[in-house]
Amino acid sequence: GQQLNQSPQSMFIQEGEDVSMNCTSSSIFNTWLWYKQDPGEGPVLLIALYKAGELTSNGRLTAQFGITRKDSFLNISASIPSDVGIYFCAGHEALTPSGGYQKVTFGTGTKLQVIP
Amino acid sequence: NAGVTQTPKFRVLKTGQSMTLLCAQDMNHEYMYWYRQDPGMGLRLIHYSVGEGTTAKGEVPDGYNVSRLKKQNFLLGLESAAPSQTSVYFCASSYGTSHGRDTQYFGPGTRLTVL
Repeated sequence: GQQLNQSPQSMFIQEGEDVSMNCTSSSIFNTWLWYKQDPGEGPVLLIALYKAGELTSNGRLTAQFGITRKDSFLNISASIPSDVGIYFCAGHEALTPSGGYQKVTFGTGTKLQVIP
Repeated sequence: NAGVTQTPKFRVLKTGQSMTLLCAQDMNHEYMYWYRQDPGMGLRLIHYSVGEGTTAKGEVPDGYNVSRLKKQNFLLGLESAAPSQTSVYFCASSYGTSHGRDTQYFGPGTRLTVL
């Protein structure tokens, strides 16, 4: 099955630094989502993007829906220890013109570790 | 409002045994999903349901069956477990596209080991 290319796969950063990660796809998506997964938990939605070019913030997190609709990035500013976890991007494809079930493809994740 | 819950949290099976994983949601969501998560593979869709009484195959359906007899519950069954089914299983639910923007909410996961 199709997978999104998410990079980097993992990163170690110093507390207080900014972080950037991105996802690219060969398919056009009509929605991009960013999730965070803590150890032993399910993914939790951070940001949802619905229009090409859209830039959305959620606290210290900012995400953008690429103009080509084939990519998205997530930035975390001034990282703190609780930012540790795995970040996943996900893209929705519309399978029919009228909508219906939209296939969702997940990236392979970016593992973030913050050094206090 | 508990959101999406899954039982059990952990399970160890022997090859050939069967089991059922239960997912429940209290958000009145139309759509429900079962995923498996393996290292380096991200989340892969096993089966999904777009409403009570309906199910459909996802990306990796072989070896699994599902049922959606009630809107709030989605069951995942393994009839004859194999070591390749060792994984973490996540259930998710969403309102469905008739409500416009469709976002999936995930349960806490079930860690399954098949010996």
